[in-house]
Amino acid sequence: SQTIHQWPATLVQPVGSPLSLECTVEGTSNPNLYWYRQAAGRGLQLLFYSVGIGQISSEVPQNLSASRPQDRQFILSSKKLLLSDSGFYLCAWSQVAEGGEQYFGPGTRLTVT
Amino acid sequence: SQKIEQNSEALNIQEGKTATLTCNYTNYSPAYLQWYRQDPGRGPVFLLLIRENEKEKRKERLKVTFDTTLKQSLFHITASQPADSATYLCAPDTGRRALTFGSGTRLQVQP
Repeated sequence: SQTIHQWPATLVQPVGSPLSLECTVEGTSNPNLYWYRQAAGRGLQLLFYSVGIGQISSEVPQNLSASRPQDRQFILSSKKLLLSDSGFYLCAWSQVAEGGEQYFGPGTRLTVT
Repeated sequence: SQKIEQNSEALNIQEGKTATLTCNYTNYSPAYLQWYRQDPGRGPVFLLLIRENEKEKRKERLKVTFDTTLKQSLFHITASQPADSATYLCAPDTGRRALTFGSGTRLQVQP
């Protein structure tokens, strides 16, 4: 069966510090991968998605970046965090490019102070 | 621009009743629409997918309808239980490889 991991589970970082969140998927190959952010009490905002190694599509211009160094690994990064980067970060995968349901990881709660 | 609307107010119902949640979309015609459940502090969980040529889809106590004329999907939970309390998100296809989610409606089932 497929599983998706995210770490860390929680993170408190000062403004201006770097960020690296990691997501890995097991039990499937060539998945589509996604990063979402959810602010408190708000909906899901798609940040990045990837259909293959090295292929990243950015949805929102901001100080975040994403990379996919391996087929089942997706990394979200920032060189300098802003207060507005606080939120709940979710990684997800799907097997089909269109119409496929998405499976979400447990999420990372990021607080920028 | 494309817009997805879900009732932002929480829906409170009594146990055993049918809960009905609404998802409206404007300025596009999705080929399919998905519904997810999200519990506090957790990632969303996929529930159902309905395609534009399907008027209705059922899974156990769940039923989804898709009216492409009204540009609306209804999500029903029959014989609701307190364990059904959660936020429910709709995600219509927007013609891209990634989903766009509505902001969700919180359902609270009172025992």
